[in-house]
Amino acid sequence: AAGVIQSPRHLIKEKRETATLKCYPIPRHDTVYWYQQGPGQDPQFLISFYEKMQSDKGSIPDRFSAQQFSDYHSELNMSSLELGDSALYFCASSTETAIDEQYFGPGTRLTVT
Amino acid sequence: AQSVAQPEDQVNVAEGNPLTVKCTYSVSGNPYLFWYVQYPNRGLQFLLKYITGDNLVKGSYGFEAEFNKSQTSFHLKKPSALVSDSALYFCAVRDVPGGGATNKLIFGTGTLLAVQP
Repeated sequence: AAGVIQSPRHLIKEKRETATLKCYPIPRHDTVYWYQQGPGQDPQFLISFYEKMQSDKGSIPDRFSAQQFSDYHSELNMSSLELGDSALYFCASSTETAIDEQYFGPGTRLTVT
Repeated sequence: AQSVAQPEDQVNVAEGNPLTVKCTYSVSGNPYLFWYVQYPNRGLQFLLKYITGDNLVKGSYGFEAEFNKSQTSFHLKKPSALVSDSALYFCAVRDVPGGGATNKLIFGTGTLLAVQP
């Protein structure tokens, strides 16, 4: 079965640079979520989209922005990167129905040096 | 606000023995509860969920979880542990059940399960 695809899998950037993370949801899933997992921490919700509209916003810095495109893929744009942004970034997809589980991608490991 | 707590940072169990990973929840409405497993350098894999119905929920890889409303718990269990079950386990609750907005998951801090041969 098709899973959530994230690219790139690994990314190394320097401070103050920008990064773009991409997420391709499972076919027919209309909702995308972004989570950030710091070293040794639990995943923290950043932002979500339903039918290309932002549906919820969590602890996402103003330096970050995201969008969902017409083909339902999503991109997380990160600017003015800081050392503290180094983390594993997960994308998850689901249908809009609340009872449905979210399926997670393998994550993008971002390292800021 | 919805929250879950995992009181144990690590659980050690011998292979073949039963295992329990604990989770308690705090929600304002009906709880939508989930268990995920994370292997090193991997994404989160869905194990099982409780939405409504039977208190004993069966999931992937022989895992099950028991929903206990009076104790506000949703402990993960397996009758016979395997070395390959060693991983990080997260309990999660859906924030404010409902369609559309606020379907995000709120995770516990995770419990590392170590199964010894």
